[in-house]
Amino acid sequence: SQQGEEDPQALSIQEGENATMNCSYKTSINNLQWYRQNSGRGLVHLILIRSNEREKHSGRLRVTLDTSKKSSSLLITASRAADTASYFCAASGGYQKVTFGTGTKLQVIP
Amino acid sequence: DTEVTQTPKHLVMGMTNKKSLKCEQHMGHRAMYWYKQKAKKPPELMFVYSYEKLSINESVPSRFSPECPNSSLLNLHLHALQPEDSALYLCASSRSGTVNEKLFFGSGTQLSVL
Repeated sequence: SQQGEEDPQALSIQEGENATMNCSYKTSINNLQWYRQNSGRGLVHLILIRSNEREKHSGRLRVTLDTSKKSSSLLITASRAADTASYFCAASGGYQKVTFGTGTKLQVIP
Repeated sequence: DTEVTQTPKHLVMGMTNKKSLKCEQHMGHRAMYWYKQKAKKPPELMFVYSYEKLSINESVPSRFSPECPNSSLLNLHLHALQPEDSALYLCASSRSGTVNEKLFFGSGTQLSVL
């Protein structure tokens, strides 16, 4: 299975602090994506990093990818209460197949 | 329009009922997906349609029957479900289903099987 493992499972921080989430996956990938999900809602795409990229930025988000270690990290800088959500990494190793990791539940305390 | 619309938002059904979940997108996407998500778990892929043809079935029980009537619509027909099938069912779409595409998700249908 391509399913990734994320850590931590849960993270609680103060508003303004940075939040870092890590993802490990099992087999080779074409890309690694990060999604956000508010409770009981659909997922929203945040950022995609291709297997030949090492780092990518989008606004307050920074994603790194280390294919030799089969791992990725998502950094959210200057967190806000509105960032409270679950964050999932998603590995794409084959045509049309996107497999989600176990997720990190982030709570940002105002 | 960058929305994927799912109906109904909530559904309660008995084990002998037949019901359908609907999903619609008007982004011109040619790949559509069904995912199942249990509480506190990640979404799990069920089916993928590409250009209205079923391309991936992740060994889903036959009590779940997908249908793609046209490129904008995706249905999931439910029959004789079990209580353990209670979950959030998510529909997603992507431009053509090739690699390096992001998925656009609907808000899901919360299904309870009694």
